[in-house]
Amino acid sequence: DVKVTQSSRYLVKRTGEKVFLECVQDMDHENMFWYRQDPGLGLRLIYFSYDVKMKEKGDIPEGYSVSREKKERFSLILESASTNQTSMYLCASSLEGAQIGIYGYTFGSGTRLTVV
Amino acid sequence: AQTVTQSQPEMSVQEAETVTLSCTYDTSENNYYLFWYKQPPSRQMILVIRQEAYKQQNATENRFSVNFQKAAKSFSLKISDSQLGDTAMYFCAFMNLRGQNFVFGPGTRLSVLP
Repeated sequence: DVKVTQSSRYLVKRTGEKVFLECVQDMDHENMFWYRQDPGLGLRLIYFSYDVKMKEKGDIPEGYSVSREKKERFSLILESASTNQTSMYLCASSLEGAQIGIYGYTFGSGTRLTVV
Repeated sequence: AQTVTQSQPEMSVQEAETVTLSCTYDTSENNYYLFWYKQPPSRQMILVIRQEAYKQQNATENRFSVNFQKAAKSFSLKISDSQLGDTAMYFCAFMNLRGQNFVFGPGTRLSVLP
């Protein structure tokens, strides 16, 4: 089974801190994604990556950046954490092209981040 | 841009009964994929069922089936013989054929009552 692992299940950070959320997948997937999940809003795409060192902005990239130095690892960075970034963060990965429609995405278990 | 709407924020059903979760979407594309994902308290998102828009036959996976009405842009999920383990958030999601991004609905919280 494909496994997507997020390094932290819960995090508490202070306003202004630089925060790193790590995600690792073990099935050689080309695509990786970072979503933010908030009640009543579903999942919203922050950033995604189709290849190493490649990144694309999603729907809500402001206040975030990403890094993909290796194929299996995709990091989300909050440059200066703010209280409105308190949320659940989900990482996902997928195969490419038509296979996405067959298999969908594989998600990690999420990191619940609280910024105080 | 595509949008996905789930009009039922919360639902409950008695164990062993049947429940239907609603989903509507808006798109100008003719071919696409639709998915239902389940997120139990463990928070792991699990793919429940998928439908290809160019297939008229409704998808089924064991106790889970969909009612796909392409003209109405409706994609409801029916859960038969509900079990306690079905308690979860359920997300409807749309994906275009390029597979670049899921568009998720806001979710429906389903509680299965003993």
